[in-house]
Amino acid sequence: EADIYQTPRYLVIGTGKKITLECSQTMGHDKMYWYQQDPGMELHLIHYSYGVNSTEKGDLSSESTVSRIRTEHFPLTLESARPSHTSQYLCASLPPRPRGDTQYFGPGTRLTVL
Amino acid sequence: EDKVVQSPLSLVVHEGDTVTLNCSYEVTNFRSLLWYKQEKKAPTFLFMLTSSGIEKKSGRLSSILDKKELSSILNITATQTGDSAIYLCAVEDRDDKIIFGKGTRLHILP
Repeated sequence: EADIYQTPRYLVIGTGKKITLECSQTMGHDKMYWYQQDPGMELHLIHYSYGVNSTEKGDLSSESTVSRIRTEHFPLTLESARPSHTSQYLCASLPPRPRGDTQYFGPGTRLTVL
Repeated sequence: EDKVVQSPLSLVVHEGDTVTLNCSYEVTNFRSLLWYKQEKKAPTFLFMLTSSGIEKKSGRLSSILDKKELSSILNITATQTGDSAIYLCAVEDRDDKIIFGKGTRLHILP
């Protein structure tokens, strides 16, 4: 059973607010990922990290930022939320090699910005 | 730019039919190809394919990778209504960067 958590699960906020989406995993995985997914659409990689103090931007340009101060946590921050940020945000982590399977996904945060 | 293309984007069949979902990719430093099933929440892992020509099976689902053609197929035989979902193909490169396709939305009619 994968142990990767996201909070909150649902968030409805007004435009202009600063928000942080939390992602944590207890498996000691170095590599973590954030994906953005609109309903019924593909997953877009927006950020990833190879380990502590490492962050990279993904293929989809995003106004969000991430940090990786501790292995377990990979929070995503929006300084000023806008309606265009309304989406589902999925966090994932990747076990070290050698391994038999692949990414573990968190349950997701569904964000609505009014 | 790395990309993953899935086809068809949407498919509706009757229960009992067999379906084949396609995935093609252009990725620098390919490591593996992954299939996921997504229903209402986060994707759930189905298969990881790294070697060309070796079929992986799990019940009624099977998948195979063709590295020469840069593609993979996912087969589902004797489909059931519970197979209705979005099937996602993703490709992993040697830096562990994982890129997803748009997915195939499969709907099984009873």
